[in-house]
Amino acid sequence: DTEVTQTPKHLVMGMTNKKSLKCEQHMGHRAMYWYKQKAKKPPELMFVYSYEKLSINESVPSRFSPECPNSSLLNLHLHALQPEDSALYLCASSQSARTGASYEQYFGPGTRLTVT
Amino acid sequence: GNSVTQMEGPVTLSEEAFLTINCTYTATGYPSLFWYVQYPGEGLQLLLKATKADDKGSNKGFEATYRKETTSFHLEKGSVQVSDSAVYFCALTSNYGGSQGNLIFGKGTKLSVKP
Repeated sequence: DTEVTQTPKHLVMGMTNKKSLKCEQHMGHRAMYWYKQKAKKPPELMFVYSYEKLSINESVPSRFSPECPNSSLLNLHLHALQPEDSALYLCASSQSARTGASYEQYFGPGTRLTVT
Repeated sequence: GNSVTQMEGPVTLSEEAFLTINCTYTATGYPSLFWYVQYPGEGLQLLLKATKADDKGSNKGFEATYRKETTSFHLEKGSVQVSDSAVYFCALTSNYGGSQGNLIFGKGTKLSVKP
């Protein structure tokens, strides 16, 4: 089973709202990722969690707040977003993310976020 | 630094035509190479991979060979179908330096297959 699930599939929120995106995997992977993808562009890395600890934050604004409650779950908390934050948000997981190793990443279907 | 360059699209083919999407890379060390496919309105799916020189990845009729001498990983399929219409991303992860296995993507190539 190489499935990563994400909820919700679609989300519309106002600039003053607080919402959360959820991601789950049951492959025993120890690395999880958040990406942002704008139309006709490749995904851009936002955050990396390795063994449930935040290991990479690619200079993402503080209105995006990641959380990894356990090795299977990854959340992205959203607050005071801007219209330009509208995008497809993708979660991914891989066996590991430690330096010196490289593993394929498995992606979820994404959450289509629209900020009004 | 690490980078991936792939041919600009869109690519439009007739059904049963031969497909090649070129991909070249720059990387330190010995990267792993991947092709991902993204169907309209969906996330990315791993199509195939190769982890060392001369490896051939294959899946669903698609193939790509890891060519270290030309730093290339071109995607090929002998006979495309309408259902292959999607965006294809070439990507790498490097096992050197502080990248911690992060995926480096090409810009993507949109393929449209006409009946």
